[in-house]
Amino acid sequence: GQQVMQIPQYQHVQEGEDFTTYCNSSTTLSNIQWYKQRPGGHPVFLIQLVKSGEVKKQKRLTFQFGEAKKNSSLHITATQTTDVGTYFCAGVNAGGTSYGKLTFGQGTILTVHP
Amino acid sequence: DTGVSQDPRHKITKRGQNVTFRCDPISEHNRLYWYRQTLGQGPEFLTYFQNEAQLEKSRLLSDRFSAERPKGSFSTLEIQRTEQGDSAMYLCASSLNLHARQRSTVYGYTFGSGTRLTVV
Repeated sequence: GQQVMQIPQYQHVQEGEDFTTYCNSSTTLSNIQWYKQRPGGHPVFLIQLVKSGEVKKQKRLTFQFGEAKKNSSLHITATQTTDVGTYFCAGVNAGGTSYGKLTFGQGTILTVHP
Repeated sequence: DTGVSQDPRHKITKRGQNVTFRCDPISEHNRLYWYRQTLGQGPEFLTYFQNEAQLEKSRLLSDRFSAERPKGSFSTLEIQRTEQGDSAMYLCASSLNLHARQRSTVYGYTFGSGTRLTVV
């Protein structure tokens, strides 16, 4: 079945440093979504990427979707303590009949030291 | 509409007992999903509905798990004869999935706060 892997599993940064998490799928994706889960909270939708090579920005966050639609990345510039949490990528498998069902990666836990 | 609601927030049960969780999605959403999350892991797919139809159930899910969405609104997830390995956070999410001209548009999920199940 489809697998979605994320690296790194953990990332500790000093406030103001940049952060990047990478996501790889075993299958081609029709789209990919990113979520943030604060400690003790539930996943919150950040963004969706659909097109091959797509790049989207949300303030200090930059999201990329690979040309082959099998990988993605999230980059945070100049981290702040409010960025703390676990970042998940989640993909919808291209083809098949389960359109819209997301398969989540295991997440990258970001810790920001003030 | 205040988002996706789940009840109860916490459930402690003895091994072998049956438990039932409820999820009330965002009313405009036609898709409802159940996921399970354990510590340090991403949400794991259990099942999902489009309106009242259950479209898929994870192959990893045993027959002790059953879900319903009888009128296409709220959903229930029942676990029979609970085991300690069932201890997890059970997350419900809803989304809008549109089909038009043979194309499907997917939107982001809105998750509820989850039901934390502890089996002792």
